Amino acid sequence: DAGVTQSPTHLIKTRGQQVTLRCSPKSGHDTVSWYQQALGQGPQFIFQYYEEEERQRGNFPDRFSGHQFPNYSSELNVNALLLGDSALYLCASSLANGVGEQYFGPGTRLTVT
Amino acid sequence: SQQGEEDPQALSIQEGENATMNCSYKTSINNLQWYRQNSGRGLVHLILIRSNEREKHSGRLRVTLDTSKKSSSLLITASRAADTASYFCATESNTGNQFYFGTGTSLTVIP
Repeated sequence: DAGVTQSPTHLIKTRGQQVTLRCSPKSGHDTVSWYQQALGQGPQFIFQYYEEEERQRGNFPDRFSGHQFPNYSSELNVNALLLGDSALYLCASSLANGVGEQYFGPGTRLTVT
Repeated sequence: SQQGEEDPQALSIQEGENATMNCSYKTSINNLQWYRQNSGRGLVHLILIRSNEREKHSGRLRVTLDTSKKSSSLLITASRAADTASYFCATESNTGNQFYFGTGTSLTVIP
């Protein structure tokens, strides 16, 4: 039973560039949520995707956008990168009709220089 | 701002002792979950307690929830060195689909 996978593991980008992070949910899961975790902080909710639509969004600017594909995998896109976007980006999958338990991937470490 | 706040920020205990960490939150919730994170990697789900439950057990873990005080506690009994990690509480808002994490408690268990 495949767990949540994310790619790439690490990424270094330059300020102003754009980045795309990818996530494959746990087998059987249909909902994907994205989180940003700055060093020493708890994860902050970016948005959640279900049925290829953004269902809920946290307090993040429009530079952060996402997509969910028919196979439930998802992408997180960040445009016009800022130094403050450097963080661990976590993807979590769950079942829309489940009890709310989320399964997290190992994360993508993004460094913006 | 984040929904939850954990207390203490850091905790260091001897192996075999019990570890207790607390979480406070701000708004009405569907459920509260505790997660563990090792060395800045992915989070591992430990236990979920629904808003209509007061206490739940799973192995060496005991979680309590007091919705009137908007607080929860996680007790790890008979701690082991392998329990060393950061622990986070997360709440699902009662509107659903939004999850808020606290600031975390860093637990160190000394062998």
